[in-house]
Amino acid sequence: DIQMTQSPSSLSASVGDRVTITCRASQSMRTYLNWYQQKPGKAPNLLIYDASSLQSGVPSRFSGSGSGTDFTLTISSLQPEDFATYYCQQSYSTPFTFGPGTKVDIK
Amino acid sequence: QVQLQESGPGLVKPSETLSLTCSVSGGSISGYYWTWIRQPPGKGLEWIGYIYYSGYTNYNPSLKTRVTMSVDTSMNQLSLRLTSVTAADTAVYYCARSLQGTLGATDHWGQGTLVTVSS
Repeated sequence: DIQMTQSPSSLSASVGDRVTITCRASQSMRTYLNWYQQKPGKAPNLLIYDASSLQSGVPSRFSGSGSGTDFTLTISSLQPEDFATYYCQQSYSTPFTFGPGTKVDIK
Repeated sequence: QVQLQESGPGLVKPSETLSLTCSVSGGSISGYYWTWIRQPPGKGLEWIGYIYYSGYTNYNPSLKTRVTMSVDTSMNQLSLRLTSVTAADTAVYYCARSLQGTLGATDHWGQGTLVTVSS
């Protein structure tokens, strides 16, 4: 199985801040990397697929980059509705494993 | 807009079988991969496996001996069965649809259903 790690595991930020979350894979997976946002009590919501493709309807302040083993999710200007937990997921080989999550809360 | 709704018993006894249904409305099951994912309370996401509308399946090896997925295209429903459950199977179970043209990214999710394994 491909193991996924995320850093940091949590962060505190203010509205308007630029936020970067890192995801690392245990082996190269080209750009088969997805990012999800999950709010308490809700299902995850797809933000980015194939490392850098913005899902339809997702605000442009979200962006993704990376390839191989190292990936980043960037929120250019954090908004109140962005406080949530973010997960990366590899879809290069089954089982399609998720990272442990990064919780973004209010500073 | 496609909608997914999971249903099934919220409480299952240890050693018994967990059975869930995912009803799809507003769109067809045909042409898509459908994924089951679970999330233990307060923890992260675990990929259970996927089923193609044709019935082809791919399961997480950690659950492979206990899990069965099926699809009923006439009813627009998916099913998940997990046998010999233990407390470790307590989780919110989600069904989700893969983004068209991809396999792993899931762009439509059900609200999830909590299944507790307890006697």
